[in-house]
Amino acid sequence: GAGVSQSPRYKVTKRGQDVALRCDPISGHVSLYWYRQALGQGPEFLTYFNYEAQQDKSGLPNDRFSAERPEGSISTLTIQRTEQRDSAMYRCASSSLRSGISGEQFFGPGTRLTVL
Amino acid sequence: DAKTTQPNSMESNEEEPVHLPCNHSTISGTDYIHWYRQLPSQGPEYVIHGLTSNVNNRMASLAIAEDRKSSTLILHRATLRDAAVYYCILRDDYGGSQGNLIFGKGTKLSVKP
Repeated sequence: GAGVSQSPRYKVTKRGQDVALRCDPISGHVSLYWYRQALGQGPEFLTYFNYEAQQDKSGLPNDRFSAERPEGSISTLTIQRTEQRDSAMYRCASSSLRSGISGEQFFGPGTRLTVL
Repeated sequence: DAKTTQPNSMESNEEEPVHLPCNHSTISGTDYIHWYRQLPSQGPEYVIHGLTSNVNNRMASLAIAEDRKSSTLILHRATLRDAAVYYCILRDDYGGSQGNLIFGKGTKLSVKP
């Protein structure tokens, strides 16, 4: 079946522009997670949702970063007024069990963001 | 979530077993031990998880020390495709869990033909 998909796969933008990164989780998956990964590092948690409710946004670096999942399926991570330090791979994952119960997370291919 | 300690890198020969260690001396009673791996240019993928008892699946085995302060991921016969970064992660999966995974730097496994 279809896995987690993300779009665009690559995004190059100029400093100061806003970008929106999309994540389409596996159908029926309740939980959706956003991570950011710098080169040579492990993924860093940003935020996660159960259904449409944002459960934890403590990993968002600052108020330029926001995320939504209005219908409990597709999610969008928005970065306003991008800066060069925002350049990274942004990864989305989903899982079929409510957070709080051990469950496998399925990761998407990521969006490579480059801010010039 | 409690912190884990893993060697930065390990080497293995193809078709030999690999034992990847992980120390987690401050593990709490409700922390599950999760292992994920990340192949080059791909997203992380789940390998295995456990709480107290040893676990086996088609990919690997997880051996958990009796005091739970350490665990070992066992790949029974390494293949070239197993070359990846392996992450050992603790997550509190009961009451109050945040659900996210906290990745460290992991162990980079190289497999030689």
